[in-house]
Amino acid sequence: QQQVKQSPQSLIVQKGGISIINCAYENTAFDYFPWYQQFPGKGPALLIAIRPDVSEKKEGRFTISFNKSAKQFSLHIMDSQPGDSATYFCAASIRGNTPLVFGKGTRLSVIA
Amino acid sequence: GAVVSQHPSRVICKSGTSVKIECRSLDFQATTMFWYRQFPKQSLMLMATSNEGSKATYEQGVEKDKFLINHASLTLSTLTVTSAHPEDSSFYICSARDRGGGRPYEQYFGPGTRLTVT
Repeated sequence: QQQVKQSPQSLIVQKGGISIINCAYENTAFDYFPWYQQFPGKGPALLIAIRPDVSEKKEGRFTISFNKSAKQFSLHIMDSQPGDSATYFCAASIRGNTPLVFGKGTRLSVIA
Repeated sequence: GAVVSQHPSRVICKSGTSVKIECRSLDFQATTMFWYRQFPKQSLMLMATSNEGSKATYEQGVEKDKFLINHASLTLSTLTVTSAHPEDSSFYICSARDRGGGRPYEQYFGPGTRLTVT
């Protein structure tokens, strides 16, 4: 129940295209859903996060879509750029009081 | 804002020695810090949760006598890997939660420490 399932494991997108990464969870007590971006040899950086009271949140080229009934959330990267090539992790926690539960990660490669 | 630093960024030590890794929140007070380890091309594995002024809570399977965690102040937590062995070689990352800020749910990560045990 504590798992967050992330897909796909890897993704190749053309420059300018849309990158879509999906996550699903089981624990309905989760109420905080962040996405992290990690470059090789670096720590994860918080990209964008959403609470279940909204269905979508957009920050620049990054959008989270949240479907509470389906217990799914996804990250959309619009106009993908080579500099977006990194590993992306979705995560979830309960009221911010519990440790984050991470998905297994998605390696995104944006090719020119 | 919300910057977390780690020191050292890389360390190489000999088998049997101990290594201390520091994690600092530079511009906020962190009542809770977390320690993770990450193997190549894998996700982050939570090792322990560290609350200021109290004993750390370790995840199942993590040896608390081997991975000593001290959270002595609101801005500093340390992880000491005792009697390190080659299998302890990994990327260790800390994170901190800013309880006093306007975003109490958010967790900020340090840049990580690459430990190599020879």
